[in-house]
Amino acid sequence: AQTVTQSQPEMSVQEAETVTLSCTYDTSENNYYLFWYKQPPSRQMILVIRQEAYKQQNATENRFSVNFQKAAKSFSLKISDSQLGDTAMYFCAFCSMEYGNKLVFGAGTILRVKS
Amino acid sequence: NAGVTQTPKFQVLKTGQSMTLQCAQDMNHNSMYWYRQDPGMGLRLIYYSASEGTTDKGEVPNGYNVSRLNKREFSLRLESAAPSQTSVYFCASSYPTGVGTDTQYFGPGTRLTVL
Repeated sequence: AQTVTQSQPEMSVQEAETVTLSCTYDTSENNYYLFWYKQPPSRQMILVIRQEAYKQQNATENRFSVNFQKAAKSFSLKISDSQLGDTAMYFCAFCSMEYGNKLVFGAGTILRVKS
Repeated sequence: NAGVTQTPKFQVLKTGQSMTLQCAQDMNHNSMYWYRQDPGMGLRLIYYSASEGTTDKGEVPNGYNVSRLNKREFSLRLESAAPSQTSVYFCASSYPTGVGTDTQYFGPGTRLTVL
């Protein structure tokens, strides 16, 4: 069974600094997708970034980038130049066609950006 | 283009009461999903519908039923609510391409309290 582990329940960072959120996963499959979702206090689930496992290049979206280590089954999210609006719960998630396109989520990391 | 909409936003039930959570999407997506979010556990899949006319159980289906009314709408029913079903419920949709896994887009959630 696929599992996703986020080992940091809570983190904080100063505004304008960089922070990295950790995620590891377990799967026997070779083709899959990984996601980071953001959930601000509004409760809305917002896609931050997505990585296809067959791509060696790490995904980047503006201030958000990932460090994807397939052999280590690690998928960390780096947020550069942190902003107050980045304060949210961040979820790592795994998905594969062999698993019916169903998302498996980690427990989440609460990130607080301080001014 | 409203994306994924859910009704109601909040609901309080007494143990044993029934209710239906409604979800609709206007993105012409084939697949739809129901998740529940509990503290410290991330989101867990209740049921999903890979395409119109099909439904399948997810990780935590007990106590729930679903109906894929048409391509746009996917409802979740609690026949006899229990306090353990107190949670935040999210509906999501995606358009799996068949050659990979597409991103899931989420509704705003329904906060359900069962007394």
